[in-house]
Amino acid sequence: TQLLEQSPQFLSIQEGENLTVYCNSSSVFSSLQWYRQEPGEGPVLLVTVVTGGEVKKLKRLTFQFGDARKDSSLHITAAQPGDTGLYLCAGLPGGDKIIFGKGTRLHILP
Amino acid sequence: EPEVTQTPSHQVTQMGQEVILRCVPISNHLYFYWYRQILGQKVEFLVSFYNNEISEKSEIFDDQFSVERPDGSNFTLKIRSTKLEDSAMYFCASRLRTSLYEQYFGPGTRLTVT
Repeated sequence: TQLLEQSPQFLSIQEGENLTVYCNSSSVFSSLQWYRQEPGEGPVLLVTVVTGGEVKKLKRLTFQFGDARKDSSLHITAAQPGDTGLYLCAGLPGGDKIIFGKGTRLHILP
Repeated sequence: EPEVTQTPSHQVTQMGQEVILRCVPISNHLYFYWYRQILGQKVEFLVSFYNNEISEKSEIFDDQFSVERPDGSNFTLKIRSTKLEDSAMYFCASRLRTSLYEQYFGPGTRLTVT
């Protein structure tokens, strides 16, 4: 069974600080994704990384795929209260299904 | 912007009853999925569906579950005899044939089995 472990589970920081959230697995994935999920809603895709070592930027968010394709990180620069939410790491091991991590609940204090 | 829609938003049913959860995928999408999320746990894959056939299913998707595309727009998940442990949020998702990585999720149906 392929598992994705996210850390930390919860993170509360002050507005303007930087943070990094991690996603790790013992398995190789053909690609990894990051989603954001608001309460009572479905996950919304933020980014997909498909090449080992790949780095993608989305405004203040930087996503990296590990060289061995087993891990990923999400770095937020100068966090804003609007960044508050649940961030899910997800992997596509091959085939069509998505495997999700349990998520990191982020709270940015104004 | 096109979106996946799901009805109802909340369904309460008694144990042993049949339920049908409905989804309207994005109109030009050809691949369809169901996922579930038990409260406080991770989102779990149930089944994928393409060309009127199940492509892949998880261990959770046993004989009590079935999926159907009854017409050109709806995609349904049926649970024949609900159990307490079926209580969860059920998400439908769909994607384009050419967009291998991008599944669009609906808002979910909260199923409560009493």
